[in-house]
Amino acid sequence: KAGVTQTPRYLIKTRGQQVTLSCSPISGHRSVSWYQQTPGQGLQFLFEYFSETQRNKGNFPGRFSGRQFSNSRSEMNVSTLELGDSALYLCASSTGTGGYEQYFGPGTRLTVT
Amino acid sequence: DAKTTQPPSMDCAEGRAANLPCNHSTISGNEYVYWYRQIHSQGPQYIIHGLKNNETNEMASLIITEDRKSSTLILPHATLRDTAVYYCIVRVVGRGSTLGRLYFGRGTQLTVWP
Repeated sequence: KAGVTQTPRYLIKTRGQQVTLSCSPISGHRSVSWYQQTPGQGLQFLFEYFSETQRNKGNFPGRFSGRQFSNSRSEMNVSTLELGDSALYLCASSTGTGGYEQYFGPGTRLTVT
Repeated sequence: DAKTTQPPSMDCAEGRAANLPCNHSTISGNEYVYWYRQIHSQGPQYIIHGLKNNETNEMASLIITEDRKSSTLILPHATLRDTAVYYCIVRVVGRGSTLGRLYFGRGTQLTVWP
């Protein structure tokens, strides 16, 4: 079974731009969660999508948004990028039921200059 | 979800057992103990989880004390590839669950030396 894939793996953007990151979950998984990881704050939850609906949201500003498609693939978007948005963005997939073990992708390393 | 306390760092000789402790003294009856690890610059990897019985899989064993206030993750024969940050997470499963939201603390940096 293929694992979670994230594209692109690396990205460099300029302040004020916007960016879209993509995540393809494990086949059959309906839940996708997104996390931001920085050296200062560690791993922080952004949001979760299940069956195309956002059902959980962390404490991030509205510049961070996401969506999920009918095939469970998910995208997250960050508008008006700030230097502090430089981070590793991770997505995790899960069946969305039961024990809820999450399987993480390799992440997208975003650098904002 | 209950808070956990882990030592910031530990080390272990290759081939020996690595025992990683986690304190979760405020755990409630419907909270499970989960362990993940993150090898440098990779996504976290699910290891194991349990409620009150000890659990074992191909990666590790999880020992939960009888009062459930602490647990230990055991890697029976540590290798250099086990060097990683290990996260202990306590969470509700089922009714009242935070679903896809995991609360990661700072974890324990395990260094396995040759």
